[in-house]
Amino acid sequence: DAGVTQTPRHEVAEKGQTIILKCEPVSGHNDLFWYRQTKIQGLELLSYFRSKSLMEDGGAFKDRFKAEMLNSSFSTLKIQPTEPKDSAVYLCASSSYREEVFFGKGTRLTVV
Amino acid sequence: GEQVEQRPPHLSVREGDSAFITCTYTDPNSYYFFWYKQEPGASLQLLMKVFSSTEINEGQGFTVLLNKKDKRLSLNLTAAHPGDSAAYFCAVSALGGSALGRLHFGAGTQLIVIP
Repeated sequence: DAGVTQTPRHEVAEKGQTIILKCEPVSGHNDLFWYRQTKIQGLELLSYFRSKSLMEDGGAFKDRFKAEMLNSSFSTLKIQPTEPKDSAVYLCASSSYREEVFFGKGTRLTVV
Repeated sequence: GEQVEQRPPHLSVREGDSAFITCTYTDPNSYYFFWYKQEPGASLQLLMKVFSSTEINEGQGFTVLLNKKDKRLSLNLTAAHPGDSAAYFCAVSALGGSALGRLHFGAGTQLIVIP
């Protein structure tokens, strides 16, 4: 049974570039989350979808971050334009009702 | 909104000793509670999930205690070994009923177990 799949695992971008991170949730899961993890801020919620509908959009991330669920089995996170402070690990997670949240292995983004 | 405070941020213990980590939360309606372990370079691995009706859960080498009156969640690693060295995160979901919803995370505890 495949878990949450994130691609790419590593991304290096120049300041000002547009990058797109991808996520495939566990098959059948209704909820999908994007989190950003840094040593200083810890785990911060970027977006939360339920059955493809956006339920919560992290307020601090609205201007340059856009997450979409194109279908129930695929989501993207676009950062446009990237800034060095966006360097972090981006985690995608999914869950079903009353079940645990499964995390992907993450994408490590470095913006230079 | 929900605020989760986790202590301590760093913890160093000798092999065989106990390691105790605590989280406090603010939302009295919080319903689901989790402990995650994250090894260097890896993603978050679920250690234990606790629902509101459960007070004490025992896993392999650790105990989780939930005190809803004090809004406190604890993880006790008994007889820690070097393989337990990792970051530990508590997480709380403020939704109940049929929904799990988004998790509010503590800031994490970096545990080092010295051989």
